[in-house]
Amino acid sequence: GQNIDQPTEMTATEGAIVQINCTYQTSGFNGLFWYQQHAGEAPTFLSYNVLDGLEEKGRFSSFLSRSKGYSYLLLKELQMKDSASYLCAVSPTTSGTYKYIFGTGTRLKVLA
Amino acid sequence: KAGVTQTPRYLIKTRGQQVTLSCSPISGHRSVSWYQQTPGQGLQFLFEYFSETQRNKGNFPGRFSGRQFSNSRSEMNVSTLELGDSALYLCASGGGTGTYEQYFGPGTRLTVT
Repeated sequence: GQNIDQPTEMTATEGAIVQINCTYQTSGFNGLFWYQQHAGEAPTFLSYNVLDGLEEKGRFSSFLSRSKGYSYLLLKELQMKDSASYLCAVSPTTSGTYKYIFGTGTRLKVLA
Repeated sequence: KAGVTQTPRYLIKTRGQQVTLSCSPISGHRSVSWYQQTPGQGLQFLFEYFSETQRNKGNFPGRFSGRQFSNSRSEMNVSTLELGDSALYLCASGGGTGTYEQYFGPGTRLTVT
């Protein structure tokens, strides 16, 4: 089967660093994606990893280990506006299509 | 570039009715995917269209169908609505950068009473 796991909720303090983990088991792999979704809004694209290693984009970084079926999203210098759900998604096909399998999301609360 | 647009944004229907939702992708994008989002199940893949052809399908009953037009706009239809179809329906546009990123529209909030 296809499975993506991430923690349900996390809490962190403004200015801190938080790491959101994601583990996956899929029949194929064509990339791992992180999205941010504020309550009542559509998901917005944060990052994409297809090769092992770290991708950095401002305050946000994403890491992938394909051999371990593992990724994390690192958020630095947390701000109140970072309170949102963070969705991990995998493209499970090898033939290059846009089908994604999503985890159920991690709800992050940033406290003052 | 304009983003992904979806119409209508909100819809209330009665059990047994049918509904059609519309999605216009980002200009130049040829892939449109549809997802259903509910609090209990999260985001579930419905189907993907690319150049007017359905390329992938998720595990939803045949009451859920879709199509894509030559201008890449897509429609999704749900027939014989059930209470459990109440959800946020999101469409995502993807296109050709070789990285398989998708960009989501604002969604259509469907309530079935």
